[in-house]
Amino acid sequence: EIVMTQSPATLSVSPGEGATLSCRAGQSVSSNLAWYQQKPGQAPRLLIFGASTRATGISARFSGSGSGTEFTLTISSLQSEDFAVYYCQQYDNWLWTFGQGTKVEIK
Amino acid sequence: EVQLVESGGGLVKPGGSLRLSCAASGFSFSTYSLNWVRQAPGKGLEWVSSISTTGINTYYADSVKGRFSISRDNTKNSLFLQMNSLRAEDTAVYYCTRGVDSWGQGTLVTVSS
Repeated sequence: EIVMTQSPATLSVSPGEGATLSCRAGQSVSSNLAWYQQKPGQAPRLLIFGASTRATGISARFSGSGSGTEFTLTISSLQSEDFAVYYCQQYDNWLWTFGQGTKVEIK
Repeated sequence: EVQLVESGGGLVKPGGSLRLSCAASGFSFSTYSLNWVRQAPGKGLEWVSSISTTGINTYYADSVKGRFSISRDNTKNSLFLQMNSLRAEDTAVYYCTRGVDSWGQGTLVTVSS
């Protein structure tokens, strides 16, 4: 099993500021890395796949980078609708694994 | 538009069984592998199981191996998860997914006496 570790667990950010979320894989997953946003009571929404490709309809405020074992999700100029929990996920093999999540909260 | 609609969740006693279904539409069902992912109340996401396009190859998380069985019916555009010997720790919202890009809204399974 590939362990995915996200940091920090919670990020306090003021609206209009940027945020950087990190995700580390226990072994290389190449670029087979996705980022999701989840709000209470909703299913996860895909933001980024292939480590850096934005999903359809996702704002350019969201960008992903990295490959191998180190990945970053950057959110520029946070809007009110961006406060949520974010998960990374590797799909390098059939046995998917998720990070434990980063909660982005209003400062 | 891709749609995935889960059903079959509910309250079941420990040791009981439940069968989840996922009705798919808006894409060529038989050409995609499919997955189940769950989320316990207040917790993170956990991959449960995956199935190949033909259904020949199936994969399971260690936590459910030997108790859960994934299957599909490509003639009915449907995905299934048979859950046996259910435990309290199986309590979660279960999501059906097509790859990483499409998720259903989930169905809640509660295992409690």
